[in-house]
Amino acid sequence: ETGVTQSPTHLIKTRGQQVTLRCSSQSGHNTVSWYQQALGQGPQFIFQYYREEENGRGNFPPRFSGLQFPNYSSELNVNALELDDSALYLCASSSIEQEGYTFGSGTRLTVV
Amino acid sequence: EDQVTQSPEALRLQEGESSSLNCSYTVSGLRGLFWYRQDPGKGPEFLFTLYSAGEEKEKERLKATLTKKESFLHITAPKPEDSATYLCAVRPGAGKSTFGDGTTLTVKP
Repeated sequence: ETGVTQSPTHLIKTRGQQVTLRCSSQSGHNTVSWYQQALGQGPQFIFQYYREEENGRGNFPPRFSGLQFPNYSSELNVNALELDDSALYLCASSSIEQEGYTFGSGTRLTVV
Repeated sequence: EDQVTQSPEALRLQEGESSSLNCSYTVSGLRGLFWYRQDPGKGPEFLFTLYSAGEEKEKERLKATLTKKESFLHITAPKPEDSATYLCAVRPGAGKSTFGDGTTLTVKP
């Protein structure tokens, strides 16, 4: 098992900029979900991808978008960054056989 | 809308002092209730899945139980290395999990 790998680990961006976060899912997992976790809070669901299609979305605006690739890796893109976008962004992979998520260590995004 | 409430927000125990963490939930049809452990600066680590009321799961000093409205995570004779934030999440069906804000456990030697 390779686990879930996220990059970069830390990122500082200016308000209004765009950012792309990357995730390599665990071997054998075909579903990738992205979560936003503010300090002291639980993770909030952004969206989920299954077989390269978005199949669930939380209460996040359209400037949050994503992709899943044939090798099940994924990207989270955020346009027009706002100060409130500062958070830990978590990627989680799963499969039918394992319903609990395997999380990466996250990307800490700071918007200044 | 699915909701998860965890209590207490923070819990400080002496090493060996057993206690329980609570997770109350409302969900439109429960597919699974999940417990995770999160260490500072890291992603959550999966602990247990519970599917139906009355179910129990154990792992080392941790035991998770489930009723129709809540779940408990019992910690028996905790050690300092059990210090972490414990997150509860519910999944109503295919798709997202809804997380609580967690209980931060500190175990003093």
